[in-house]
Amino acid sequence: NFMLTQPHSVSESPGKTITISCTRSSGSIASNYVQWYQQRPGSSPTTVIYKDNQRPSGVPDRFSGSIDSSSNSASLTISGLKTEDEADYYCQSYDTSNRWVFGGGTKLTVL
Amino acid sequence: EVQLVESGGGLVKPGGSLRVSCAASGFTFRNYRMNWVRQATGKGLEWLSTISSDSTYIYYADSVKGQFTISRDNAKNSLYLQMNSLRAEDTAVYYCARVSPDGYIDSWGQGTLVTISS
Repeated sequence: NFMLTQPHSVSESPGKTITISCTRSSGSIASNYVQWYQQRPGSSPTTVIYKDNQRPSGVPDRFSGSIDSSSNSASLTISGLKTEDEADYYCQSYDTSNRWVFGGGTKLTVL
Repeated sequence: EVQLVESGGGLVKPGGSLRVSCAASGFTFRNYRMNWVRQATGKGLEWLSTISSDSTYIYYADSVKGQFTISRDNAKNSLYLQMNSLRAEDTAVYYCARVSPDGYIDSWGQGTLVTISS
């Protein structure tokens, strides 16, 4: 099985752009889709990106996703940061046995 | 409106068993794969299990295989997780989650807290 490694925490000022990485330990990042979930304090998670770079309806276009095979990683980019974006963000993918793998999560602070 | 409501959490002694349930409404439950995901306090999300729409395919995380059993009753629009031989490290909020046709979780319940302690 593989692991998805995320930075423990990131911080940035309102209005700025931040990128959160998610590095796959083995196997190609491109071999299975990557999703990103947002979890605000005290709430259940919600999806902000699916299938590497797709946004569910209702998610603002300030959120974007990408994958980079050279670094074997996925990235979530949030532009025009708002205080409401402050949350934990989790990447997720699948292994070849249909098991789901979550990254450890990144705490985003907007200060 | 899609609703997933977990129930059945509580305090259980180590070695005990518990079944948590998830009542689904607002969508055609029998058409969707479903997941259980848990989160220990202050920790990240941990996928536990997936069940296909008709229960034909079931997958477990290695951490709970042989200990937990996922099941569903499409007639009752309900999802279940039977948990046996519970240990302190199983203490967590357990979420029921719907898997969209695109393969991502598009709806989560509010979670039910399971505490394993003597």
